[in-house]
Amino acid sequence: EPEVTQTPSHQVTQMGQEVILRCVPISNHLYFYWYRQILGQKVEFLVSFYNNEISEKSEIFDDQFSVERPDGSNFTLKIRSTKLEDSAMYFCASSLEGASGGQETQYFGPGTRLLVL
Amino acid sequence: GQSLEQPSEVTAVEGAIVQINCTYQTSGFYGLSWYQQHDGGAPTFLSYNALDGLEETGRFSSFLSRSDSYGYLLLQELQMKDSASYFCVTRMDSSYKLIFGSGTRLLVRP
Repeated sequence: EPEVTQTPSHQVTQMGQEVILRCVPISNHLYFYWYRQILGQKVEFLVSFYNNEISEKSEIFDDQFSVERPDGSNFTLKIRSTKLEDSAMYFCASSLEGASGGQETQYFGPGTRLLVL
Repeated sequence: GQSLEQPSEVTAVEGAIVQINCTYQTSGFYGLSWYQQHDGGAPTFLSYNALDGLEETGRFSSFLSRSDSYGYLLLQELQMKDSASYFCVTRMDSSYKLIFGSGTRLLVRP
């Protein structure tokens, strides 16, 4: 069964450093997402991406964050100048359809646990 | 804003039935989904209710009442592997983002 994959599974970085989290969505999916989950809290939406541009973003997704689809398979989340409060699990997700109607299941990857020291 | 409220923890015995409730306040409500998340794992889709009523998928059933802004997930014949967190999830019409509830941690005991 196709699945979303993410690398690395764990990332430790120093405050102020840049990190890039990588995701390979399910191959025929067209919509891509990043979510984060701070330890013990609920999953929060960061951004959605379709047709090589951001389609929606949350208030969390400020200028510190950026997303990119550098090739036909990868989808990345870059965090510039990381802060302590960026420590969280970051999930990538993908779906075949978007918000056009009906129920479009978002499939989540296993996550990258980011720890900022 | 949008909010979905769930009990924080539920404990049940293996083989039993458990119901996890979810009440919501959203504008432009567009159906209710349920996701399962094991510790350290990814949220995994379980079920979706677009309309009022009951949806059944094996041991899991989900119910929605739009007039009451209420839904629940029913797990039957509980197994130890069902110990996980369960999130009710919705989204607004024409929005891409999933809005997660606070999550219910289910502990299944032998």
